[in-house]
Amino acid sequence: GAVVSQHPSWVICKSGTSVKIECRSLDFQATTMFWYRQFPKQSLMLMATSNEGSKATYEQGVEKDKFLINHASLTLSTLTVTSAHPEDSSFYICSRDRESYNEQFFGPGTRLTVL
Amino acid sequence: AQSVAQPEDQVNVAEGNPLTVKCTYSVSGNPYLFWYVQYPNRGLQFLLKYITGDNLVKGSYGFEAEFNKSQTSFHLKKPSALVSDSALYFCAVRDMKGIGGIFGKGTRLHILP
Repeated sequence: GAVVSQHPSWVICKSGTSVKIECRSLDFQATTMFWYRQFPKQSLMLMATSNEGSKATYEQGVEKDKFLINHASLTLSTLTVTSAHPEDSSFYICSRDRESYNEQFFGPGTRLTVL
Repeated sequence: AQSVAQPEDQVNVAEGNPLTVKCTYSVSGNPYLFWYVQYPNRGLQFLLKYITGDNLVKGSYGFEAEFNKSQTSFHLKKPSALVSDSALYFCAVRDMKGIGGIFGKGTRLHILP
C-alpha cells in the first residue's frame, strides 16, 4: 500500500490566492521529505528539502517566499503556493526516503491549476 | 554539477521483444543511480538502484540495469516486454549526501501488442 499520501490530488484556484498541499508519511517518521515539481512532458525538478523542526532547504532558483514549506511533525510536510499565478500551474510531488536505504517513496502528486 | 540524460523521449517495442531504455549520467564521485517508473494517475515507483558492487542490478517486474562506469551509462533492460510495461520511466542520480535527486526528463515506453 501507499506509504506517502498527498492531499488534495488536484486543485483549481484563482490567480492571487494561496494553496496548501499536504504530504504525509503514513508508515514511518520522516525527518526529511522532498518536494518536486513536474512540468508536462518534462522531468521532476527538486524544489526543496523539507526538514522537520527547521527551515527547508531550497534549490537554486526556487522562490522560498513563493513556495512556503512547513514540516511541523515527523509525518507531515506542507507546501503552500502563495499568491498563485497561472505559471505556477504544475504537478507537485513529495517524497521521503525509504528508511536506511537510498531510494525514495513518492506521493501520488497534486495537480495545481491556477486560473 | 550532476546531470542525467535520457536521449529518447519515446521507445516503442513489440510485446515479447527485449527492451532498452537509455540513461547516461554525469556526477563527481561515485554515483548512486536509480530507475523509477510512473504509471498514469499513480506515483513514481522504485524499480532498481546501483550503489556499489555488481554492475548488473536486478529490480522489480523483471527489469535490470547495467552500470557502465567507462561509458557513464545505466541503461534499463528487460528480456521480454509486456504490454503492462508501458509507462514513463525516469533515471535518477543522487549524491552521497542523499540530498533529493536529479532526474532525467523521462522516456515513455510503449509496448505494442
